Amino acid sequence: AQSVTQLDSQVPVFEEAPVELRCNYSSSVSVYLFWYVQYPNQGLQLLLKYLSGSTLVESINGFEAEFNKSQTSFHLRKPSVHISDTAEYFCAVSVNGGATNKLIFGTGTLLAVQP
Amino acid sequence: ETGVTQSPTHLIKTRGQQVTLRCSSQSGHNTVSWYQQALGQGPQFIFQYYREEENGRGNFPPRFSGLQFPNYSSELNVNALELDDSALYLCASSSTQGESTEAFFGQGTRLTVV
Repeated sequence: AQSVTQLDSQVPVFEEAPVELRCNYSSSVSVYLFWYVQYPNQGLQLLLKYLSGSTLVESINGFEAEFNKSQTSFHLRKPSVHISDTAEYFCAVSVNGGATNKLIFGTGTLLAVQP
Repeated sequence: ETGVTQSPTHLIKTRGQQVTLRCSSQSGHNTVSWYQQALGQGPQFIFQYYREEENGRGNFPPRFSGLQFPNYSSELNVNALELDDSALYLCASSSTQGESTEAFFGQGTRLTVV
């Protein structure tokens, strides 16, 4: 069965410092990988996704993630964080792939950016 | 295009009661999925509807049921509410058309069972 592990429940970091949020997945088949962000009292917003092709994917607000098949990882990184990046971040895998995806989420990592 | 909308935003129910949550999918999307997010946890897949039929179900008991309507909107019904049903319920819509595999989430319905 597919599963997603986010080892860090909370990551405190100072503003303008780099950050990495870790995500490992378990699957015996090909997967699609996603990072979602959830701000307080809101739903989930897609941050970035890996479907195929280049293993390094980027978002419009400076985040990037690299798909590493050998290590079954999809870690999220940002070279310099802002206060506004404070949120809960969820890594997810798509079980079936394709448009009718059923997402399996990790338990989330709270990114707490301090001034 | 309109996004995914859910109603109500907040709800308080008593144990044993029944509840119906509603979701309007994004324009052009024909698939709706429901997730339960307990406090401090990641969302858990409840079930998915495609063309008005259930298209996969997670590890939830039968008292969790759903519907999808011809306009692709959807309802989640929960009978015999239990305290542990207190959670944020998220609806996500997606499309089988084209290459997009992105699921768009609504803001959620916060259900509190007392």
